Amino acid sequence: DGGITQSPKYLFRKEGQNVTLSCEQNLNHDAMYWYRQDPGQGLRLIYYSQIVNDFQKGDIAEGYSVSREKKESFPLTVTSAQKNPTAFYLCASSIGLGAEKLFFGSGTQLSVL
Amino acid sequence: EDKVVQSPLSLVVHEGDTVTLNCSYEVTNFRSLLWYKQEKKAPTFLFMLTSSGIEKKSGRLSSILDKKELFSILNITATQTGDSAIYLCAVVGTYKYIFGTGTRLKVLA
Repeated sequence: DGGITQSPKYLFRKEGQNVTLSCEQNLNHDAMYWYRQDPGQGLRLIYYSQIVNDFQKGDIAEGYSVSREKKESFPLTVTSAQKNPTAFYLCASSIGLGAEKLFFGSGTQLSVL
Repeated sequence: EDKVVQSPLSLVVHEGDTVTLNCSYEVTNFRSLLWYKQEKKAPTFLFMLTSSGIEKKSGRLSSILDKKELFSILNITATQTGDSAIYLCAVVGTYKYIFGTGTRLKVLA
């Protein structure tokens, strides 16, 4: 079945540590996105990518980094510069940038130790 | 600045009630409006609306868009406990999706 796989489901970060969240899709979608969800704040865009080897900052990119070396993969690194990383992170994809509906992964809950 | 506002923020009803969820927006270069249901983790797609006045229906759920007044509503009739979830509204602008804060619905048995 086609879909988006995020791993791990739960992740704990120590002070000063970088952590990487995985996102893989087999939908053959060109566009991929990372969102952060905090209680009462909806989904906020961190980074997005339209095609391989290209990505753009979203509304809250500070303290995060991404790469898009393969069409199927769009990992997100939460760096030590992100001072408040505790949140639920959702990866999504669409056929094209802003095209029709978004498909979502099941998310990663990141907490700080 | 683009924004999407959902109301109410939360709602508690009893099984069998009818609920109306609201989504208003101010988005440059509007392309479409999407409704999602988020039960546990991954939001699942409900409706996509692009034209005013055309009601989309799926079972007990329905939605309509008013592009003149810049809002959409999501109706759920004869609610069930399985309808308990966060309902997200997103508007597609030039290249990105702008989400509202969501409405948290709880249906009591």
